[in-house]
Amino acid sequence: AQTVTQSQPEMSVQEAETVTLSCTYDTSENNYYLFWYKQPPSRQMILVIRQEAYKQQNATENRFSVNFQKAAKSFSLKISDSQLGDTAMYFCAFMKPRSGQLTFGSGTQLTVLP
Amino acid sequence: KAGVTQTPRYLIKTRGQQVTLSCSPISGHRSVSWYQQTPGQGLQFLFEYFSETQRNKGNFPGRFSGRQFSNSRSEMNVSTLELGDSALYLCASSSPTSGTVEQFFGPGTRLTVL
Repeated sequence: AQTVTQSQPEMSVQEAETVTLSCTYDTSENNYYLFWYKQPPSRQMILVIRQEAYKQQNATENRFSVNFQKAAKSFSLKISDSQLGDTAMYFCAFMKPRSGQLTFGSGTQLTVLP
Repeated sequence: KAGVTQTPRYLIKTRGQQVTLSCSPISGHRSVSWYQQTPGQGLQFLFEYFSETQRNKGNFPGRFSGRQFSNSRSEMNVSTLELGDSALYLCASSSPTSGTVEQFFGPGTRLTVL
């Protein structure tokens, strides 16, 4: 079974600054996907970024980028130029191919301060 | 494309009743996954359907069941409701056969059991 651990329950960052959210996971699989989702107060779950385990290059999406360390089973999310709209709960998630099952971490509540 | 839709958005039931939740995936997506979100247990996987077949199931009692129709719409049923079933129920769709492995979520159904 896979487990996903987010050790930072809460974080805050000043607007326009950079923040990094941590995530570690445990699996015996070699091929898998990792995701970051955000859930703002509306509770709508929104995909932020995706990473394939077989790709060494770290994924980036505008102000969002990841640091994927496969050997260390670490998958952190960096948010640059933080905006007030980034305030949300952020979930790290793991998925085996063809399983249709996301395994989520417990989440990190990020607050962007004006 | 329209996003994932879920109905109803809010539901109040009493213990012992049963409930059916509906999920319409993004057009062309054939995989639908269901999740339960509670403050205590976080996000937990219920089951996944692909082309009308349940491919994967989480660790929930048999009171939780689902099905998928030929148009990929999915329903989830909970029988003999318990107080602990109060939760936000999220469904998500994806299209793994076309490379869209990431799951896109609906707004959720908030179930309250009294």
